[in-house]
Amino acid sequence: DTGVSQDPRHKITKRGQNVTFRCDPISEHNRLYWYRQTLGQGPEFLTYFQNEAQLEKSRLLSDRFSAERPKGSFSTLEIQRTEQGDSAMYLCASSLEAGMNTEAFFGQGTRLTVV
Amino acid sequence: QKEVEQNSGPLSVPEGAIASLNCTYSDRVSQSFFWYRQYSGKSPELIMSIYSNGDKEDGRFTAQLNKASQYVSLLIRDSQPSDSATYLCASSQGGYQKVTFGIGTKLQVIP
Repeated sequence: DTGVSQDPRHKITKRGQNVTFRCDPISEHNRLYWYRQTLGQGPEFLTYFQNEAQLEKSRLLSDRFSAERPKGSFSTLEIQRTEQGDSAMYLCASSLEAGMNTEAFFGQGTRLTVV
Repeated sequence: QKEVEQNSGPLSVPEGAIASLNCTYSDRVSQSFFWYRQYSGKSPELIMSIYSNGDKEDGRFTAQLNKASQYVSLLIRDSQPSDSATYLCASSQGGYQKVTFGIGTKLQVIP
């Protein structure tokens, strides 16, 4: 399977716990995005990387969220001290940046439930 | 004002009809536009991309872009019940800019 892979697919955690999600992009893709999606809404931008550089982080993202992409390959998204409002689908996407062509392909997502 | 605006629907069309999905965007420097299909509980799937004014056809799908009006649309011909899903419109300025999504329009194709 050469698509974007996310792990885990589902995560249930207690409020206040830390969680970490992993994303493996399509191998030749140099750009990696994290989005969050709640019911009835479109994907909300969180952050993105060009290779290992984090180029932009949403102002809506609190300091409890951090993302890394060491060596420009896989990425992790960590949420510290989770809150019930963090319950959502966390989506990772990757693209091969080539001028205007920024077609992004999504992984299956990680559904987080904070209880 | 949201960067990408869509009517959330639902849009109901009978099987075999043409479904027309619309999207407007606020950022005049947006260069790239995308349509994604998302089934309930699944992740978005890219179905069309368009970069220049005019029409782009791919099978039963036609994307239309009018940069002067800041308007993007998706036509689905011969709609099938399997087309029932939420259709997300997205835009990007290209280059080093992120992709921004609309809320999505829910399409229901009635057999």
